[in-house]
Amino acid sequence: GAGVSQSPSNKVTEKGKDVELRCDPISGHTALYWYRQSLGQGLEFLIYFQGNSAPDKSGLPSDRFSAERTGGSVSTLTIQRTQQEDSAVYLCASSDQRGNYGYTFGSGTRLTVV
Amino acid sequence: GQQLNQSPQSMFIQEGEDVSMNCTSSSIFNTWLWYKQDPGEGPVLLIALYKAGELTSNGRLTAQFGITRKDSFLNISASIPSDVGIYFCAGQLIGTASKLTFGTGTRLQVTL
Repeated sequence: GAGVSQSPSNKVTEKGKDVELRCDPISGHTALYWYRQSLGQGLEFLIYFQGNSAPDKSGLPSDRFSAERTGGSVSTLTIQRTQQEDSAVYLCASSDQRGNYGYTFGSGTRLTVV
Repeated sequence: GQQLNQSPQSMFIQEGEDVSMNCTSSSIFNTWLWYKQDPGEGPVLLIALYKAGELTSNGRLTAQFGITRKDSFLNISASIPSDVGIYFCAGQLIGTASKLTFGTGTRLQVTL
């Protein structure tokens, strides 16, 4: 597509429930990144995909967080047994990874755990 | 994790004024980037810097990659109301090709 698409744009969930966040990167972009932005904060790196592989998942905060990417395209970030501290905006970005660090970000999914 | 110290945290300025913000770190960066984020949107890349000492302009925006590779600044000249938003610096640390480290942002508000 023309840009990075994320869905849903907003998600309210009860504590303890699982959630799935979806990211559709720009067509042809091999690199895909997930970041988390808490209220009034900068962006915190979660995980990086090159193709379908995740060579760097060092930012995932706990084993409740996981992500996958299929077909070198769509990625899903899953949070199990959500906690209130998981409330944040989850941003996805993609790049063509040819030495170009100018990611294109999606608009994010605002997750609220109540 | 690595921290980028970004200042100021927020600023109120009048339309037409020039603006300056900067980022510093104790670590050396290979790349410095400046992004702008509008409410409800993801950050949008403004300027990318790839060499120490590099000075790059994009319209009314000018950014520099510090000689020590530990800092960068962004200047906005003759601010206009649509400059309102949050500006983030971001850097790529040596040996971490996969990710960017972001500053905590500068919230800019422009009054008429």
